[in-house]
Amino acid sequence: NAGVTQTPKFRVLKTGQSMTLLCAQDMNHEYMYWYRQDPGMGLRLIHYSVGEGTTAKGEVPDGYNVSRLKKQNFLLGLESAAPSQTSVYFCASSSRGSGGRSYNEQFFGPGTRLTVL
Amino acid sequence: RKEVEQDPGPFNVPEGATVAFNCTYSNSASQSFFWYRQDCRKEPKLLMSVYSSGNEDGRFTAQLNRASQYISLLIRDSKLSDSATYLCVVTLPHLNRDDKIIFGKGTRLHILP
Repeated sequence: NAGVTQTPKFRVLKTGQSMTLLCAQDMNHEYMYWYRQDPGMGLRLIHYSVGEGTTAKGEVPDGYNVSRLKKQNFLLGLESAAPSQTSVYFCASSSRGSGGRSYNEQFFGPGTRLTVL
Repeated sequence: RKEVEQDPGPFNVPEGATVAFNCTYSNSASQSFFWYRQDCRKEPKLLMSVYSSGNEDGRFTAQLNRASQYISLLIRDSKLSDSATYLCVVTLPHLNRDDKIIFGKGTRLHILP
């Protein structure tokens, strides 16, 4: 049981290049999330998904696209990378809330450190 | 006022001491509360949920004060391994939408030998 995995772990891009970050979870969770974490800014939600085939915008969605074609995978795409997208990207997953609770524990992947030159 | 605020620290505390820090939230409709722990260059992990009546897990005690809109985390008999950043998480219910999950920026704790 690997939990949440992210690939790649590190990446350096030049401005204008594109790339896709892959997140995979083996816990059969319905919800998946992409966050970025910058010094002094905390975790900020980029996009999230409440189920296969559905995605929604978070707090900072501009410059990113996502897809959830399979329940276990959540992809984050950067079409034209900019230096402002230099950050650590975390994927997370959680099960649907139950027992009157709307939020269940989020399990995070180890992160992807992206540098855009 | 920011939705969730934490003192960034760092809190430098000698081993064995008791340390406490708070997290304030601005929206009285906030529903659920949690503390996550994040080690340096690692991912956040859930430390504990915060219940209305307060709850304890070993050396850790979490409390919720709805009247003053803050949650607290108390660590007793601190260990070197407690050195980390502690993130508070607050959820806000949204009508006809998914709950909003808000992370604080974290409080850094350094336990000194």
